[in-house]
Amino acid sequence: TAGITQAPTSQILAAGRSMTLRCTQDMRHNAMYWYRQDLGLGLRLIHYSNTAGTTGKGEVPDGYSVSRANTDDFPLTLASAVPSQTSVYFCASSDTTKSPLHFGNGTRLTVT
Amino acid sequence: RKEVEQDPGPFNVPEGATVAFNCTYSNSASQSFFWYRQDCRKEPKLLMSVYSSGNEDGRFTAQLNRASQYISLLIRDSKLSDSATYLCVGISGSARQLTFGSGTQLTVLP
Repeated sequence: TAGITQAPTSQILAAGRSMTLRCTQDMRHNAMYWYRQDLGLGLRLIHYSNTAGTTGKGEVPDGYSVSRANTDDFPLTLASAVPSQTSVYFCASSDTTKSPLHFGNGTRLTVT
Repeated sequence: RKEVEQDPGPFNVPEGATVAFNCTYSNSASQSFFWYRQDCRKEPKLLMSVYSSGNEDGRFTAQLNRASQYISLLIRDSKLSDSATYLCVGISGSARQLTFGSGTQLTVLP
């Protein structure tokens, strides 16, 4: 089944540790996005990529980094996790930056 | 001011009621608009696109008012299964400016 896959589904992480959230899509979409969703704050864009090889900063990029080595994968890395990064993280993709987004199932991250 | 604003609700309506949500946007460069539905603790799912001429999909009608910079979603004959959070988004072609509203929570009561 075509779609967008995130891993892990959930994770508990000690503060100060690093972690990479994985995101893979098989729809050959050009654009990919990482959002975090916190209660009362809605979806906030962390980083995005318009096409393979390019990335850009969103609304809340601090403490996160991304790479886009190929079309399919868009990993999000937390170099040194802090409790304020406890959130639900959604990866999304779209054919173009004018197309609707398709979301992965999300990763629930708790930083203790 | 947020680029996209929604009334967070909650909207509690009886089954069979008609309910409408509005979403205002500040980026006049936004070209495409969409409504998403999000169930508790799950990913947002595309509900429908919004066109200037208005569009209808069964019990759902979406409209765009560019002059006043808002989009609307009308749900007729509400079902229990319509209970969810509804998110609007305006897309300008710039991924950096792709902003979702915070969502409107709808609960349909039996």
